[in-house]
Amino acid sequence: KQEVTQIPAALSVPEGENLVLNCSFTDSAIYNLQWFRQDPGKGLTSLLLIQSSQREQTSGRLNASLDKSSGRSTLYIAASQPGDSATYLCAVGGSGAGSYQLTFGKGTKLSVIP
Amino acid sequence: DADVTQTPRNRITKTGKRIMLECSQTKGHDRMYWYRQDPGLGLRLIYYSFDVKDINKGEISDGYSVSRQAQAKFSLSLESAIPNQTALYFCATSDPSVSGELFFGEGSRLTVL
Repeated sequence: KQEVTQIPAALSVPEGENLVLNCSFTDSAIYNLQWFRQDPGKGLTSLLLIQSSQREQTSGRLNASLDKSSGRSTLYIAASQPGDSATYLCAVGGSGAGSYQLTFGKGTKLSVIP
Repeated sequence: DADVTQTPRNRITKTGKRIMLECSQTKGHDRMYWYRQDPGLGLRLIYYSFDVKDINKGEISDGYSVSRQAQAKFSLSLESAIPNQTALYFCATSDPSVSGELFFGEGSRLTVL
């Protein structure tokens, strides 16, 4: 069974700092990996999707990397802003039986201090 | 308007009542999902549907049922609600022929007293 771990569970940084969020998974046979942002009481917003054949994806100040062999992904946020404060979730898509289901980590709660 | 719409957004009910949560989408995706989110447990898959005639149980389907009325509509029912079904419920859609990216609704917060 796939297990997804996100460390740390919470992170507080001053505005302007670059930061890295970590995601690890136990089964490297994945279909894709997706990073989401969740604001309190809100739904999940997709940030970046990395297919299993890709190494990284970039969108604005965000860069996500994928290393399947080591079972790791990182989300890099450049020049953090208070508006980046949210919970960031990593989800891994399995590849069995021609379909896929996402297994989610429990998230990293990020606070960017002005 | 949101691409994935859930109703109701908030609901308080009593133990033993039947509850239906509805989801509709305008993305034209075949695949739809229901997830539940609990503090400290993350999101867990309840049911998923690949098309109107294909419905599958997820990790935690006991106590729940679903109905796929059309490509755009996927409902989740709690036949007899119990307090440990108090949670935030999310509907999601995807199109694996494009990228497999998941798109979520805003969530339905259910409280069972």
